[in-house]
Amino acid sequence: DSGVTQTPKHLITATGQRVTLRCSPRSGDLSVYWYQQSLDQGLQFLIQYYNGEERAKGNILERFSAQQFPDLHSELNLSSLELGDSALYFCASSQGGPLTYEQYFGPGTRLTVT
Amino acid sequence: GENVEQHPSTLSVQEGDSAVIKCTYSDSASNYFPWYKQELGKRPQLIIDIRSNVGEKKDQRIAVTLNKTAKHFSLHITETQPEDSAVYFCAAYGGSQGNLIFGKGTKLSVKP
Repeated sequence: DSGVTQTPKHLITATGQRVTLRCSPRSGDLSVYWYQQSLDQGLQFLIQYYNGEERAKGNILERFSAQQFPDLHSELNLSSLELGDSALYFCASSQGGPLTYEQYFGPGTRLTVT
Repeated sequence: GENVEQHPSTLSVQEGDSAVIKCTYSDSASNYFPWYKQELGKRPQLIIDIRSNVGEKKDQRIAVTLNKTAKHFSLHITETQPEDSAVYFCAAYGGSQGNLIFGKGTKLSVKP
């Protein structure tokens, strides 16, 4: 158990809908990262937050957005869902300080868009 | 930006043999190189990492080597066991992007 929690574990929804994925980082970690993993694909970095502020952006679609709240949990919002958005979505956390790079992953949310 | 190439994409070994997975990176400013193991349907688990000021690091049956000049790093697993079967991802951190860039993964199968 990495200490990173994600809810829900599974989500099934229809095209055009909007969903919210939630992540709580390890105790003491200030940085949260979101990744997308499609079937047989690697891990695609979406976005990073550090202590409530957006720090880095990867290949995140305009239909997707995220935020990190004062208690450091983060939410990833996916809207106007398409079939191709079906994937495993992982959250990872790290301390976020200088020279602290280790990222620990949560169990993931499996999103199925029908 | 950073690009990480990983080879091979699949690797099959006999139990007890060694396995080697290789990665190359493009951004010479990258300074942290972790390896993750992912079993089917589970989260990626950090198994070992190395920083750019170190050439080699070992942890029991697992070792990682880094050649900064050639910009490549490798994962070595000795005395493989069936439970080592998983997908292994390398990654590079730092450089201009400041986040982890992952290789596409290597599916390791260890046959008993």
